[in-house]
Amino acid sequence: AQSVTQPDIHITVSEGASLELRCNYSYGATPYLFWYVQSPGQGLQLLLKYFSGDTLVQGIKGFEAEFKRSQSSFNLRKPSVHWSDAAEYFCAVGARSNDYKLSFGAGTTVTVRA
Amino acid sequence: NAGVTQTPKFQVLKTGQSMTLQCAQDMNHNSMYWYRQDPGMGLRLIYYSASEGTTDKGEVPNGYNVSRLNKREFSLRLESAAPSQTSVYFCASSEGDVGGIYGYTFGSGTRLTVV
Repeated sequence: AQSVTQPDIHITVSEGASLELRCNYSYGATPYLFWYVQSPGQGLQLLLKYFSGDTLVQGIKGFEAEFKRSQSSFNLRKPSVHWSDAAEYFCAVGARSNDYKLSFGAGTTVTVRA
Repeated sequence: NAGVTQTPKFQVLKTGQSMTLQCAQDMNHNSMYWYRQDPGMGLRLIYYSASEGTTDKGEVPNGYNVSRLNKREFSLRLESAAPSQTSVYFCASSEGDVGGIYGYTFGSGTRLTVV
């Protein structure tokens, strides 16, 4: 069965500093990988996705993520964080063998300090 | 705006009461999903519908039922609410016949409290 692990429950970062959120997945073949962001009291918004091809994918809001098959990872990065990036971030994985239903990690809460 | 609409946004139930959460999408998506979100556990799939007329259990289906009324609407019913069902419920939809290759579009959620 597919699974997703987000090792960091909470990260605090200064405005203007870089951010990296970790995501590890468990699945035998190439998975479909996603990052979502959830602002307080809101639904989830898709930041970016990876299916195949270039392992570095660009998303909205200045985010990017890199797929590393050897490490079973799909880490999310942003070079310079803005206060509006404070939110909860979810990594998700889907697979053909599971009808592409998405499994989500537990989430990482990002706090941005001035 | 196009998207996924959930009603109600907030609900308080007493133990044993029943209710139906409504979800509608206007993007002509085939697949629809119900998730619950609990602190520290991410989102867990309750039920999904790969296409109109079909429904299947997800990871945590006990205590819930669903109806795919038509292509647009997918409702979630709690027959006899329990405090363990206190959660935030999200409906989502996606393109494709079998799921979220292109990612899901989420509703804004229903915050349910069972007392």
